[in-house]
Formats: sequence, structure tokens, C-alpha cells
Amino acid sequence: EVQLVESGGDLVQPGGTLRLSCAASGFAFSKYTMHWVRQAPGQGLESVSAIGSNGVTTYYAKSVEGRFTISRDNIKNMVYLQMGSLRTEDMALYYCARGRIVEPGIVDYWGRGTLVTVS
Amino acid sequence: EIVMTQSPATLSVSPGERATFSCRASQSVSSNLAWYQQKLGQAPRLLIYGASARATVTPARFSGSGSGTEFTLTISSLQFEDFAVYFCQQYDNRPYSFGQGTKLEIK
Repeated sequence: EVQLVESGGDLVQPGGTLRLSCAASGFAFSKYTMHWVRQAPGQGLESVSAIGSNGVTTYYAKSVEGRFTISRDNIKNMVYLQMGSLRTEDMALYYCARGRIVEPGIVDYWGRGTLVTVS
Repeated sequence: EIVMTQSPATLSVSPGERATFSCRASQSVSSNLAWYQQKLGQAPRLLIYGASARATVTPARFSGSGSGTEFTLTISSLQFEDFAVYFCQQYDNRPYSFGQGTKLEIK
């Protein structure tokens, strides 16, 4: 069974830093693109960042470029999101999600999310 | 950036009836369009990809259609467990953008 478990969400002051982690299990992690997608309270979904299976190709939304860094460890089956210079508008539930192998833009499994509060 | 616009914002339908959701892209996304269902307090779940292909666990009452800029998700006969928020997402061009969602509520 595919499982994605996020952790690291917390209350942080504006300008602060936070590192989110996602533990993956139940699938061949090293073959899949992984995503971070966020959802502000009562709002829609925003694709924040993604990382290719080999860890080389990365993507960032313009809203976080230069402040967030995505990385992965294909030995530990983990994906991370290092968040810096946090703003109130970064406050959201952050989901770790898996992209499909053939079309990695399609997100086929999601974690339950970890809450980031910036205040 | 491609903007995805969903309508209506809220859809009120009775169980057993048909529900139809619309999603419009600001420019063509070919058939690179997915639909997700999100129930209250839960993570989204993939329903449809490639505009019309059902995901593995998606019941047959869900169907998707469209290409280019206009897309539709249809639920043929609503079950109580279908009442949720539905999002469309284009994955044709970065950033892969989502619509704002349509809330399906019980009439």
C-alpha cells in the first residue's frame, strides 16, 4: 500500500525557516517524481515544488522560488522541503504527493498533509 | 501561467441525479487535464486523468470529457459519498495549475 507521511509543520514567525519531511513507503520510491502541493485554509490547491526521480530536475512555483528548496533521499525514501524567509501567505496545509511514472504531472497519491502556520 | 476556471462554485444536486462540473483553461492544455475529489478533512484523490481516463479506483459513474480549453466531469447518479469538492488540474505546462474547485452539496 502506498503511504506518504508528512511531518515538520509548525508555528513559525515571519522570516523564519522550517523543514518539512515526507516518508514514503509501499512503492519503488526512486522511480517517481515527488511533489509538494499546498492548500491555504478554505482555499484551492497550489503546486509548490516538485523533484524528479533522480533528484536533479526540480521545479518551484514563482511564489516560493529562491526561498524553498526541495530534495530527496532515494536510500531513505524521503523527500524534503526546506522553507526559508517564510511569509504569512505561505501558511497552509502542505501535502506530499506522488506523480505518475508515465505522466509525472498527474498526482496519484497524496499524504494527509502537515500544517504550516506563519504568525 | 495557465489559469483554470471552474464553474459553478457550488453545485446543489439530489442523490440519484446527475452532476456536471465545468473546467475551462485560459489556453489549450490538449488532453492533459486531471480531476480530483476532496472530502472534508481529507487529502485529494485522483479521479480522472488524460481528460477522460478513470483512475484505478474511480467508480464507473464518474466520467470526464473535453480537450483543448473546455472540460467536463460528470457523475451519472450521485451517491452520498460523492458529496465533496472537485478540482481540475492541467499538467500540460508548468506551473501545473489547479482550478479553485466546485463544491458539490446535497440538495
